[in-house]
Amino acid sequence: EAGVAQSPRYKIIEKRQSVAFWCNPISGHATLYWYQQILGQGPKLLIQFQNNGVVDDSQLPKDRFSAERLKGVDSTLKIQPAKLEDSAVYLCASSPLPNTIYFGEGSWLTVV
Amino acid sequence: AQSVTQLGSHVSVSEGALVLLRCNYSSSVPPYLFWYVQYPNQGLQLLLKYTSAATLVKGINGFEAEFKKSETSFHLTKPSAHMSDAAEYFCAVSDSQAGTALIFGKGTTLSVSS
Repeated sequence: EAGVAQSPRYKIIEKRQSVAFWCNPISGHATLYWYQQILGQGPKLLIQFQNNGVVDDSQLPKDRFSAERLKGVDSTLKIQPAKLEDSAVYLCASSPLPNTIYFGEGSWLTVV
Repeated sequence: AQSVTQLGSHVSVSEGALVLLRCNYSSSVPPYLFWYVQYPNQGLQLLLKYTSAATLVKGINGFEAEFKKSETSFHLTKPSAHMSDAAEYFCAVSDSQAGTALIFGKGTTLSVSS
């Protein structure tokens, strides 16, 4: 079974530029999550989707971050404009059932 | 609100020694508890999870954890450390009733020396 796919794996951008990350969850998984993991910290939830609806986006900085999950499958996370403090690993995860969560390998963002 | 606290940001052991990584949780509802491992430049891999069945949970790679409600703890152990166990370990909690997203601790880096 294929895992959670993310791209790009690595991205370096200048501050104030924009960036987009893509996630393809495991087939059939209704729930999709985006987490932000800053170096030396645990992952922090940014947004949770159930199919194509948002369940929780309370910690998403909506002035610069946006996410969508069209058709309830793939998802895109966008940052515009990026700040230095956005340097982190962005982890996508999917889940077929509550509390059974599979993570992708992450997209590493460096903002310079 | 739920939270987890991992005691000790860095633990060092010798190869063959006992591994003990500490995690305490706070939850107003029965929790589900998890341990994940992260190797350099990789995503998170589930080691084990507690979902209100047996309090002693066995996971992959010889790890196990015991849920102790009276101590609000879910410590991770392994009898004998291997060099390959060197990684970052994260404890996480979720609301068993609502199926909410995981809330992670800050992580513990495990170093294993020969």
